[in-house]
Amino acid sequence: DTGVSQDPRHKITKRGQNVTFRCDPISEHNRLYWYRQTLGQGPEFLTYFQNEAQLEKSRLLSDRFSAERPKGSFSTLEIQRTEQGDSAMYLCASSLRGGTETQYFGPGTRLLVL
Amino acid sequence: AQSVSQHNHHVILSEAASLELGCNYSYGGTVNLFWYVQYPGQHLQLLLKYFSGDPLVKGIKGFEAEFIKSKFSFNLRKPSVQWSDTAEYFCAVNPFTGNTPLVFGKGTRLSVIA
Repeated sequence: DTGVSQDPRHKITKRGQNVTFRCDPISEHNRLYWYRQTLGQGPEFLTYFQNEAQLEKSRLLSDRFSAERPKGSFSTLEIQRTEQGDSAMYLCASSLRGGTETQYFGPGTRLLVL
Repeated sequence: AQSVSQHNHHVILSEAASLELGCNYSYGGTVNLFWYVQYPGQHLQLLLKYFSGDPLVKGIKGFEAEFIKSKFSFNLRKPSVQWSDTAEYFCAVNPFTGNTPLVFGKGTRLSVIA
């Protein structure tokens, strides 16, 4: 069990640029979640997938955000035209549908928009 | 909408003191309940979980939590804290139907001093 991995771990970008983050879930997990965490807050849900299907999106996920999981394995989260308010830790989690359904989290990608 | 309240933002204890962190949730149906811990510089890790059965659940590192349905509470306890318990603790909930996004509280920062 190699755990959930995320890349990159840190990203600094200028306002208006596009950024893309990657998440590799635990290999047999069919559910994958994206959360965002800002300072002093708990993680907030953004979107989740079952296999390659995106099942739910939060109202937090503006049109500038898009997520994919093309082959039901890794996922990418892209933010277009970044804004300073996008600065946060972006967390990925995975779980096994039909199992104990515990979500296991990756180390996160910390985004700073200047 | 579901919500989770953690009453203590920052708790400071001496080593060997007893710990109780409060967590209340608002949701009318049956829920799964979780406590996650985030040690400094590390990612979120599952501390313990309640799905059904005995409302007193035991987790790793001597932690336990009690689900009191009538009070919509899931408080975390440890009889004697150690310096290594210094971390941020998050309570989370999702409906019993499972595999839906977690709703987190804002977290409680625990500082244990020698």
